[in-house]
Amino acid sequence: DGGITQSPKYLFRKEGQNVTLSCEQNLNHDAMYWYRQDPGQGLRLIYYSQIVNDFQKGDIAEGYSVSREKKESFPLTVTSAQKNPTAFYLCASSPRATGENQPQHFGDGTRLSIL
Amino acid sequence: AQTVTQSQPEMSVQEAETVTLSCTYDTSESDYYLFWYKQPPSRQMILVIRQEAYKQQNATENRFSVNFQKAAKSFSLKISDSQLGDAAMYFCAYRSAGLDMRFGAGTRLTVKP
Repeated sequence: DGGITQSPKYLFRKEGQNVTLSCEQNLNHDAMYWYRQDPGQGLRLIYYSQIVNDFQKGDIAEGYSVSREKKESFPLTVTSAQKNPTAFYLCASSPRATGENQPQHFGDGTRLSIL
Repeated sequence: AQTVTQSQPEMSVQEAETVTLSCTYDTSESDYYLFWYKQPPSRQMILVIRQEAYKQQNATENRFSVNFQKAAKSFSLKISDSQLGDAAMYFCAYRSAGLDMRFGAGTRLTVKP
């Protein structure tokens, strides 16, 4: 079955440590996205990528970094510069970044906590 | 900047009854798309329904329908014959040309048996 796989489901970070969240899709989608979800808030865009080797900052990119070396993969690194990383992180993809009528498909998410 | 507002943090409905969730948005665009997503306790985001702004007819998907008022920039979701499995967070989302999606803060729906 096609879909988006996020791993791990739960992740713990120590102070000063970088951690990487994995996102893989086998839907052959061009565009991929990373969102952060905090309690009582909707999803906020961290980064997005429309094609391989290209990505753009979203609304809250500070303290995060991404790469898009393969169409299927869009890993998110939470760096030590992100002072409040505890949140639920969702990865999404869509067929084309400019396909506005196309819904985004989501993974099951990764919950990141500080030790 | 485009914003999406869901003014009801929580709603509850009796099983088999009907409930309406509200959503308003702010945009200067004429062409855009609106979506409702459901997020059950499993936290996975599931598309419920979508609406193209250029269509006057309200979208319907089985027990789910929308009331789209373009002039008022309103996009409410009606759930008929509510079921226990409808209990979830519901997010309204907006998307226009070349733009990522903008999400509201969500409405938590409780279904009482």
